[in-house]
This record gives sequence, C-alpha cells and structure tokens, in this order.
Amino acid sequence: QSVLTQPPSASGTPGQRVSISCSGSSSNIGTNTVNWYQQLPGTAPKLLIYSNNQRPSGVPDRFSGSKSGTSASLAISGLQSEDEADYYCAAWDDSLHGPVFGGGTKVTVL
Amino acid sequence: QLQLQESGPGLVKTSETLSLTCTVSGGSISSSSYYWGWIRQPPGKGLEWIANTYYSGSTYYNPSLKSRVTISADTLKDHFSLNLSSVTAADTAVYYCANYDRQRLVFDSWGQGTLVTVSS
Repeated sequence: QSVLTQPPSASGTPGQRVSISCSGSSSNIGTNTVNWYQQLPGTAPKLLIYSNNQRPSGVPDRFSGSKSGTSASLAISGLQSEDEADYYCAAWDDSLHGPVFGGGTKVTVL
Repeated sequence: QLQLQESGPGLVKTSETLSLTCTVSGGSISSSSYYWGWIRQPPGKGLEWIANTYYSGSTYYNPSLKSRVTISADTLKDHFSLNLSSVTAADTAVYYCANYDRQRLVFDSWGQGTLVTVSS
C-alpha cells in the first residue's frame, strides 16, 4: 500500500489530454513539493516534473504539473504514442523523514 | 552529467544478506548537494524508497525496512553500498541507486537498475 494514492490506469487517443491525480496528506504533499517520474517499459524512472510544476531541461512542455492542498496532478496534453509509460508521483514525507511514492499510473495510448 | 551503476549478485538465498554497490561517475559522492539513495521495485509493482546516505556518514532509512538495512558511502572510491539482511522472496525486486537533490528534493539521476532474486 503506497503512501500516495494514484489511479492504476489512464488512457487516451493521440492528441488528447490525459490527467493523473495524486493524493497525499498533510505530512507529505500538504507541506512539501511534488515530483513526477516517467518510467518507460524496461527502463529506470526519469524525472519529469519537480517542485510541483517545473520541467527539467529536455522535458516537452506537453507535460505539466500542479498542486492544491494535499493533492497534485500531472497533465499530458497532445498525447503521443511515446508517452505510453508508468507515471509515479513522489514527495518528501515529514513523518517518515524520507521520500514517498505513489503506486503508479499506467498510461495507455489507444 | 552524473552516472550511476549498480553492481552485485543477481541471486541471493533466503535468510541471507543482499549486498549491492553503486558506483558514481561524472561527479563526486562528496558533493554537499546530494544524498545518495536506494529505491526498489518488485516485479510489476511500484517504487519503494529504501535508504539515503550523505557523504558525512549520515543515514536515513525507510522505517518499514530499517531493522534490516544498512547504507554506507565510500568517499575515496566514489561509491555507496546497501546491505539488506534476512531476505525473503518479498525482497525480490529491481534495485535502483540514485542521487537525491537536497534542494529540489528529487531523485535526479538513476542507475539502470539490477534485478535481485531471492530464492532458496
């Protein structure tokens, strides 16, 4: 059971917008920034969004993040076939004194 | 650009100790900017943080694994290590090492991961 809660799956057709939610608590998302990782099949996770809504260099602006209270979301606009992957949210947890992850959301491009 | 590479046995016997090493290149493990951490992913499941260490020797553990885990850093060799004792089949997973950016609070660069299978 993951500390952060994500839906197990999401899907869309090419060009559509897909949104993934991430729910936490006051000890993690409520007081700390949220990050998102993309894991393509058979590869290590890659940092996609940090500090709620910042993209590392090289990440397309189709990916955007937001946070409100104890929840966050990742949006993928203009969905492309190469976006088919698992997406994980994460945040520092003040109670655990360490980072916590969501259970992951598998995005399928129909 | 930091690069990290995990190494260690791919098969460990039940009740024994799993030992992995992460070698860092393209940067120094003595950097004050990063923690150095281990994350694991059981087959078909999500990510679980195991532990972080700092070059000074400070360590931070996931409470659920703390009693069985030791993490340490070797600043002379630019590598850090993980020991997980009394393993069971539930510890079978891909183990990743990564650097944790202390300012942005993110795992920034990841190793490719190594699959460790626990079997009797």
